[in-house]
Amino acid sequence: GAVVSQHPSWVICKSGTSVKIECRSLDFQATTMFWYRQFPKQSLMLMATSNEGSKATYEQGVEKDKFLINHASLTLSTLTVTSAHPEDSSFYICSARVGTGPFYGYTFGSGTRLTVV
Amino acid sequence: EDKVVQSPLSLVVHEGDTVTLNCSYEVTNFRSLLWYKQEKKAPTFLFMLTSSGIEKKSGRLSSILDKKELFSILNITATQTGDSAIYLCAVGFNNAGNMLTFGGGTRLMVKP
Repeated sequence: GAVVSQHPSWVICKSGTSVKIECRSLDFQATTMFWYRQFPKQSLMLMATSNEGSKATYEQGVEKDKFLINHASLTLSTLTVTSAHPEDSSFYICSARVGTGPFYGYTFGSGTRLTVV
Repeated sequence: EDKVVQSPLSLVVHEGDTVTLNCSYEVTNFRSLLWYKQEKKAPTFLFMLTSSGIEKKSGRLSSILDKKELFSILNITATQTGDSAIYLCAVGFNNAGNMLTFGGGTRLMVKP
């Protein structure tokens, strides 16, 4: 089935540094990729929608200069957390729609746990 | 404003019990409702519902959608400790972005 590979699974970085998270669709083309953030014991919050070849659409309250999203190809989308701070520590998950017409689903990456110290 | 609300927030039951999780929504351009189970990592897909009144079933889990009353339920019968997880409900839209809006989730704990 359709698989989204997300890397890294976990990362610890120092405050002020940048971290890049990659999501690759392995056996399908992901025109659109969604980036979610999850705080402990909370549901997923949509951060942005990335479309191949165009600028990402950010949800209200999400800083686009801090969370840089690039979707340069149909199989790769990246999220870069710039100048990370401890409050950016979270679980980040990407997701892509799979299929067309009325019978589509969504597949998720395995998530990246970011800890900023 | 589009809204997806799940209840209860959390639930503790004993093995063998039956649980019903609720998801109600107020959205424009509704296309589908999806249920996910999330344990330690990313959510895993359970069901997608698009038509009212048709029950989807997988083992001990089943789900049904009521598009008139704008809600869905997820039933788990004969619960096991392995059912302990966060259950997420999400609504998909008929729009170009095809994004999902998630409910707050229900945390289920099944005790032996």
